[in-house]
Amino acid sequence: NAGVTQTPKFQVLKTGQSMTLQCAQDMNHNSMYWYRQDPGMGLRLIYYSASEGTTDKGEVPNGYNVSRLNKREFSLRLESAAPSQTSVYFCASSEGLYTDTQYFGPGTRLTVL
Amino acid sequence: GENVEQHPSTLSVQEGDSAVIKCTYSDSASNYFPWYKQELGKGPQLIIDIRSNVGEKKDQRIAVTLNKTAKHFSLHITETQPEDSAVYFCAAGIGNNRLAFGKGNQVVVIP
Repeated sequence: NAGVTQTPKFQVLKTGQSMTLQCAQDMNHNSMYWYRQDPGMGLRLIYYSASEGTTDKGEVPNGYNVSRLNKREFSLRLESAAPSQTSVYFCASSEGLYTDTQYFGPGTRLTVL
Repeated sequence: GENVEQHPSTLSVQEGDSAVIKCTYSDSASNYFPWYKQELGKGPQLIIDIRSNVGEKKDQRIAVTLNKTAKHFSLHITETQPEDSAVYFCAAGIGNNRLAFGKGNQVVVIP
């Protein structure tokens, strides 16, 4: 099992450009999450999907959109990137409940110039 | 919403000594408390968790204790080894299908 995979690993954007971060899991998990990690800020939830077909806002959703394409895939889109979105983005998945272990991907390091 | 704080932000210990990281949470309804370890360049990984109906849980060299009255929980690592050097995150969950994470503690084990 590959677990949770994320593409790309690194990305540099100019302000105003758009891009989509891809995430896929092969563990047949129901729930998937997108976090951002900034120095001194820990992990902050952007959006999550409790099950296929549903998405909900997390702590810092502004400037992002998500799509739960199917049970395996959960993408994060930046429509008009801003320097404040420079961060490391992690995708995670869990079987379902918040008490289930969240399995994290390796992360995408995004720089917006 | 839930607010989780971790102390200290950085902890240096001699190899073989114990390390203790403490987290406090604000919402008394929280009932699930996991600890994640993040090694450099990798995603976080669950190392131990505890639920509110349990006061202490151990797994080899690591343990977690929970004090619901004081709303804090702690991670204890005994006989520290160089591979324990990492960032550790605590989190709290209250049943809304998500966790609130603390800001992380950098643990450095000095050989």
